[in-house]
Amino acid sequence: QSVLTQPPSVSAAPGQKVTISCSGSSSNIGKNYVLWYQQLPGTAPKLLIYGNNKRPSGIPDRFSGSKSGTSATLAITGLQTGDEADYYCGAWDSSLTGVVSGVVFGGGTKLTVL
Amino acid sequence: QVQLVQSGAEVKKPGASVKVSCTASGYTFTSNYIHWVRQAPGQGLEWMGIINPSGGSRTYAQKFQGRVTMTRDTSTSTVYMELSTLTSEDTAVYYCARDYGGNYDAFDIWGQGTMVTVSS
Repeated sequence: QSVLTQPPSVSAAPGQKVTISCSGSSSNIGKNYVLWYQQLPGTAPKLLIYGNNKRPSGIPDRFSGSKSGTSATLAITGLQTGDEADYYCGAWDSSLTGVVSGVVFGGGTKLTVL
Repeated sequence: QVQLVQSGAEVKKPGASVKVSCTASGYTFTSNYIHWVRQAPGQGLEWMGIINPSGGSRTYAQKFQGRVTMTRDTSTSTVYMELSTLTSEDTAVYYCARDYGGNYDAFDIWGQGTMVTVSS
């Protein structure tokens, strides 16, 4: 059972837009930055979004992130077959007592480009 | 180029320990923290802990407290993750990942992963 909640799967046609949700709580998404990672089959994860909505160098602007309260969303526009992958959200989790628990992740969302 | 290169796959018996290495290159080793993350077959990502290559301080996920040890060797730009008292539930790919910095808690460079199989 993951601390952050993501839908197991999403799908859309090439060229379309898809969104992936990530729900957390006041101890993680509610007070810390959200990250998004893309994991292609058989490879290590790749950083897509950091600081809720910032893209590392080399990540196309088709990928965007947003956060509101204790939830976050990854949006991918202009879908390509190469976008088929697992997507994970993550955030630092700080307990109410201020003791850092560490990084928590969602269970991952499999994107299928039909 | 900036990269993290991990040691090769391991097969261990239940109760044994495993030590995985992660060698950094292409940047100043002591400038960025290193995290360890694991992924069981067909499962999601699980954070194990973080080490500061500069001073050696570390924080471990509560789940692994008492069973994991992270160390570093600045002379070889290498960090190590040792996990003891292995069970079949520790079968997973273990990744090291560089912290991006700036308090974003993001991992910008990942190692290629090390498969650890625990089987009798």
